[in-house]
Amino acid sequence: KQEVTQIPAALSVPEGENLVLNCSFTDSAIYNLQWFRQDPGKGLTSLLLIQSSQREQTSGRLNASLDKSSGRSTLYIAASQPGDSATYLCAVRVRTYKYIFGTGTRLKVLA
Amino acid sequence: GAVVSQHPSRVICKSGTSVKIECRSLDFQATTMFWYRQFPKKSLMLMATSNEGSKATYEQGVEKDKFLINHASLTLSTLTVTSAHPEDSSFYICSARRIDSPLHFGNGTRLTVT
Repeated sequence: KQEVTQIPAALSVPEGENLVLNCSFTDSAIYNLQWFRQDPGKGLTSLLLIQSSQREQTSGRLNASLDKSSGRSTLYIAASQPGDSATYLCAVRVRTYKYIFGTGTRLKVLA
Repeated sequence: GAVVSQHPSRVICKSGTSVKIECRSLDFQATTMFWYRQFPKKSLMLMATSNEGSKATYEQGVEKDKFLINHASLTLSTLTVTSAHPEDSSFYICSARRIDSPLHFGNGTRLTVT
């Protein structure tokens, strides 16, 4: 059974810091991995999608990497801003578009 | 802009009543939609997969008679929480599959049962 874990559960950093969020999954048989952002009480915004054959994806200040064999992905946020404060979720697609979500990392960037 | 619309965004109802939540794909046809539930400070749990024109597939532990799913058209899936109780209070989110594209999610519905 696929399990997805995110570390740390919560993170508070001063503005401008570079930071790394971690996601690990127990079964390497995935189709892709997606990182999402969720603001309090809101829905999900897709940030980056990495196909199982890819190693990384970049969008602006965000870079996500994927090491399928070790069951790990990282989301790197450069030069963090207060507007980056949110909960970040990773999710792996296992089959037929079924996604298993991680436990989330609550990020707070202090001005 | 949003490609999946979910309505209502918030609903408060009394215990024992039923609540319907709609999920619409705005500019594409979605043969498959998914319904998730999120408890406070927890991650999303898949409840069921909604297939257009056929019965929904429920995840283990989800009561199909409690959470009725109807996917009557290629752009609309509905989730009805029947005889709601306070323990059904939660954040419900739908997503829709768009071919050759990441899953798109609605903005969610916060259900509070008093």
